[in-house]
Amino acid sequence: QSVLTQPPSVSGAPGQRVTISCTGTSSNLGADYDVHWYQHLPGKVPRLLVYANKYRPSGVPARFSGSKSGTSASLAITGLQAEDEADYYCQSFDRSLSGYVFGGGTTVTVL
Amino acid sequence: EVLLVESGGRLVQPGRSLRLSCAASGFTFTTSTMSWVRQAPGKGLAWVSTISTPGGDTYYAESVKGRFTVSSDSSTNTVYLQMTNLTAEDTAIYYCVKTGNWFDPWGQGTLVTVSS
Repeated sequence: QSVLTQPPSVSGAPGQRVTISCTGTSSNLGADYDVHWYQHLPGKVPRLLVYANKYRPSGVPARFSGSKSGTSASLAITGLQAEDEADYYCQSFDRSLSGYVFGGGTTVTVL
Repeated sequence: EVLLVESGGRLVQPGRSLRLSCAASGFTFTTSTMSWVRQAPGKGLAWVSTISTPGGDTYYAESVKGRFTVSSDSSTNTVYLQMTNLTAEDTAIYYCVKTGNWFDPWGQGTLVTVSS
């Protein structure tokens, strides 16, 4: 299993708010390493969605927001839209493994 | 505009070797860090390897340590991933990614299939 733990799936109706959790350990998120989030649309290349816990790259809608506290982080999508159907991954660095780590990914379904 | 173009992926038999290439442009390659990230069929993203082109330091995931070697050529702005002793578990799309503390941007990926 993945070093960072995410729920396999979340769903919501258009316009609703959904959150995706990412749980780590004292070797990664708890060691004060930042968390970053990626969106992977079907058939597309993964895209950076949130970096350094809460910052959005240019072009990412404001309905995506990130937060981190201790060994946990979360990505929130407000005003859910059909185009948000994708897989979402959290990512950080793990000092015990001396390498980058990903969550297992969460599939967001718009009902 | 940053552009990363991978090549070299193909069908290869178990136990054989393969070299992937990533041609980079649109940024200062000689001061950048580059990584390979893969996605096996039906699985999530997994970090494979990183090279810091300024100093040549390299890092590997445990699953590929001793079998994969990452290198770079500053004269051609190209990153390579030499893969040896390939197994079915190495079947994946391999992405070349510009790396800071996060991965951005990503290349379009190249598919490696290990099968007899």
